[in-house]
Amino acid sequence: EPEVTQTPSHQVTQMGQEVILRCVPISNHLYFYWYRQILGQKVEFLVSFYNNEISEKSEIFDDQFSVERPDGSNFTLKIRSTKLEDSAMYFCASHNFEKLFFGSGTQLSVL
Amino acid sequence: ELKVEQNPLFLSMQEGKNYTIYCNYSTTSDRLYWYRQDPGKSLESLFVLLSNGAVKQEGRLMASLDTKARLSTLHITAAVHDLSATYFCAVDPTSGTYKYIFGTGTRLKVLA
Repeated sequence: EPEVTQTPSHQVTQMGQEVILRCVPISNHLYFYWYRQILGQKVEFLVSFYNNEISEKSEIFDDQFSVERPDGSNFTLKIRSTKLEDSAMYFCASHNFEKLFFGSGTQLSVL
Repeated sequence: ELKVEQNPLFLSMQEGKNYTIYCNYSTTSDRLYWYRQDPGKSLESLFVLLSNGAVKQEGRLMASLDTKARLSTLHITAAVHDLSATYFCAVDPTSGTYKYIFGTGTRLKVLA
């Protein structure tokens, strides 16, 4: 079955540093998403992306966050200046008009 | 603000027993999804429920949706240890945007 792939699986960074999380959505999907899950909590929507622009974003997705589809396959989430509270598992997802398919996640630890 | 609540939050049960997890949501929606998450892993799709009265079954799990009551259930029949995981329901309140609102999750532990 096709998969959403994410890299890296773990990322450790210092507070204030920039990080880029990478995703390769399923190839024939057109809508892409980022969700995050703080340890032990529920999964939260961050942003949706279609046709090279943001469709919707949550309150969490402030000016420190940005998304990009730099080429035909990758979809990235950038955090410009990380904060301690950005520590979470970040999931990329895409859909086939039936349901969301989630990647394996990137565990981001901000020290 | 849309709320999606699950109960129980934690469930410890013996193998062979039956139990039901409940998912209540606070606004109208006819799209509800169930996912399974193993520790440190991704979200695995279990069921897609797209209409009132929808019922789906896969192995020992059966999910149903009552949109009038704003309630979905995930029923476990004759639990086995391999079902131990966290189960999330998710609602798509603006149909088709896939901007899911997830429930709080139910951590299930099946004891041998």
